[in-house]
Amino acid sequence: KAGVTQTPRYLIKTRGQQVTLSCSPISGHRSVSWYQQTPGQGLQFLFEYFSETQRNKGNFPGRFSGRQFSNSRSEMNVSTLELGDSALYLCASSPTSGSGNEQFFGPGTRLTVL
Amino acid sequence: GENVEQHPSTLSVQEGDSAVIKCTYSDSASNYFPWYKQELGKRPQLIIDIRSNVGEKKDQRIAVTLNKTAKHFSLHITETQPEDSAVYFCAASSGATNKLIFGTGTLLAVQP
Repeated sequence: KAGVTQTPRYLIKTRGQQVTLSCSPISGHRSVSWYQQTPGQGLQFLFEYFSETQRNKGNFPGRFSGRQFSNSRSEMNVSTLELGDSALYLCASSPTSGSGNEQFFGPGTRLTVL
Repeated sequence: GENVEQHPSTLSVQEGDSAVIKCTYSDSASNYFPWYKQELGKRPQLIIDIRSNVGEKKDQRIAVTLNKTAKHFSLHITETQPEDSAVYFCAASSGATNKLIFGTGTLLAVQP
């Protein structure tokens, strides 16, 4: 099976712009979670989608949003970009939702905000 | 709120020595504790996990122990090798979602 894929791998944006990141889970996986990784804050949970529904949301402002499609692919959107949004954005997929499920990470999208 | 503390932040050992990384969690409802290894520029990869109904789990050179009373869990790597050099993250999860709360990471350097 192909692993989790993310596009694009690298992005450079300027403050105030918006960005959309995409995540394709492992075939058959219905849960996709998103994490932000920065040197200062480490790995922080953004949100989880399962069967096109948001299951949980982390402590991020409303500028961060996401969605999931019927084929389980997920997108996250960040509007009105700030310098502090520069980070590696990782998605992880799992067969289902619920504590105890192994999550498989994608390679990440490196976002740089200038 | 939910929190996972991880120590040490950096760890340097000689090849062949053992390495121990410790984590403490705050949410008593946590019931799943995975450990991820992240090499430079790579994605995090699960190396071992443990559930709250088990006290210890071993997989070759890697073992994890869980003390639910103290809310502590630890990663033990024996006979370390240079390829074990990476950042290791502990995490905790609870409830009906896949949300993981991560520790701050430990940079392990194995000196040949």
